[in-house]
Amino acid sequence: QKEVEQNSGPLSVPEGAIASLNCTYSDRVSQSFFWYRQYSGKSPELIMSIYSNGDKEDGRFTAQLNKASQYVSLLIRDSQPSDSATYLCAVRPGGNKLVFGAGTILRVKS
Amino acid sequence: EAGVAQSPRYKIIEKRQSVAFWCNPISGHATLYWYQQILGQGPKLLIQFQNNGVVDDSQLPKDRFSAERLKGVDSTLKIQPAKLEDSAVYLCASSLTSVADTQYFGPGTRLTVL
Repeated sequence: QKEVEQNSGPLSVPEGAIASLNCTYSDRVSQSFFWYRQYSGKSPELIMSIYSNGDKEDGRFTAQLNKASQYVSLLIRDSQPSDSATYLCAVRPGGNKLVFGAGTILRVKS
Repeated sequence: EAGVAQSPRYKIIEKRQSVAFWCNPISGHATLYWYQQILGQGPKLLIQFQNNGVVDDSQLPKDRFSAERLKGVDSTLKIQPAKLEDSAVYLCASSLTSVADTQYFGPGTRLTVL
């Protein structure tokens, strides 16, 4: 079983819709969770971090965490074509080592 | 504030050759990471430095890969000899401390092994 699993996509949504990206992880001791965005040919950039169960909102982005289900998600409201990218879920099981999923490709169609 | 710098940006070599990558982290960042990102996969940590000491190199193929961070600033990652499966983007990242949330990534070096 992979440590961090994501649906590879592509996930296609129309402009203005809500995009929902999901991630599951296997290590129950993980305490920190991150979403990175990676444009094609570019390096990852951090867009959200979450540590407690529940929702965390930042602008058009909402991260959701459910530690009991070992599940973390990212919602993007009012999706824009500029949101088209690969979204990487990352988990920090201990120390500062990040374990990344393979990423979900998001395509926002105008 | 300058970001993480890496060079070269692209490198093409033949198998069994050697190659070296260079990284200059953000000024003042104590922790430096090297990741390997194979096409279609997420980044995989190869080695983590805290200042000039190694914190984690459990996934570094030590028979062919080596890395150093002399003086706790710049770092180099070397592959010798390269294999076809080493074709990937090598990303360097840095963070202020070893427990800081945000890792800042450099632009990466795209390595192609023929």
